[in-house]
Amino acid sequence: DIQMTQSPSSLSASVGDRVTITCRASQSISRFLHWYQQKPGKAPNLLIFDASSLQTGVPSRFSGSGSGTDFTLTISSLQPEDFATYYCQQSYSFGQGTRLEI
Amino acid sequence: QLQLQESGPGLVKPSETLSLTCTVSGGSISSSGSYWGWIRQPPGRGLEWIASIHYSGRTYYNPSLKSRVSISLDTSKNQFSLKLSSVTDADTAVYYCARDTGNYRTDSWGQGTLVTVSS
Repeated sequence: DIQMTQSPSSLSASVGDRVTITCRASQSISRFLHWYQQKPGKAPNLLIFDASSLQTGVPSRFSGSGSGTDFTLTISSLQPEDFATYYCQQSYSFGQGTRLEI
Repeated sequence: QLQLQESGPGLVKPSETLSLTCTVSGGSISSSGSYWGWIRQPPGRGLEWIASIHYSGRTYYNPSLKSRVSISLDTSKNQFSLKLSSVTDADTAVYYCARDTGNYRTDSWGQGTLVTVSS
């Protein structure tokens, strides 16, 4: 099994900040890595697929990069609606989540 | 717009079988590019992918749950279903049905349904 490790597990930031979340795979996964945002009581929402492709309708302040084992999700300028939990996913494995707080 | 809606009992007894159905509207589950699946989230915890199925009948299971899980399609009703046998407290979770468009890229989700395992 490929294990996905996210860091940090939680993060405090302010509106306007640039934020980066990291996801590391236990072995190379090429670019088969997706990122989701989840708000309390809601289903997750796909942000980035295949490491760096922006899902339709997602604001351009979200971006993804990486390949192999190391991946990042970057929010260029935090907006109030971005405070949520973020998950990476490779195949049937999700990372443990990163809670982004004010 | 594609919509998915979970249905099924909210309470299941330990050792019994959990059964859920997802009804798809705004699109066909016979679409060749779509896979239909289930993902769950225990209260206050992270996401766990369970299983998915293609309209061709090909199925994919999380190895950790494979021995207890079955997923199926009913194209006549545009529905797909999940069965999880021998449930325990650890299976208490919000269960989401979802669509992925290949490589587990999950772009449409139901609202989720809470299933509690308790006697």
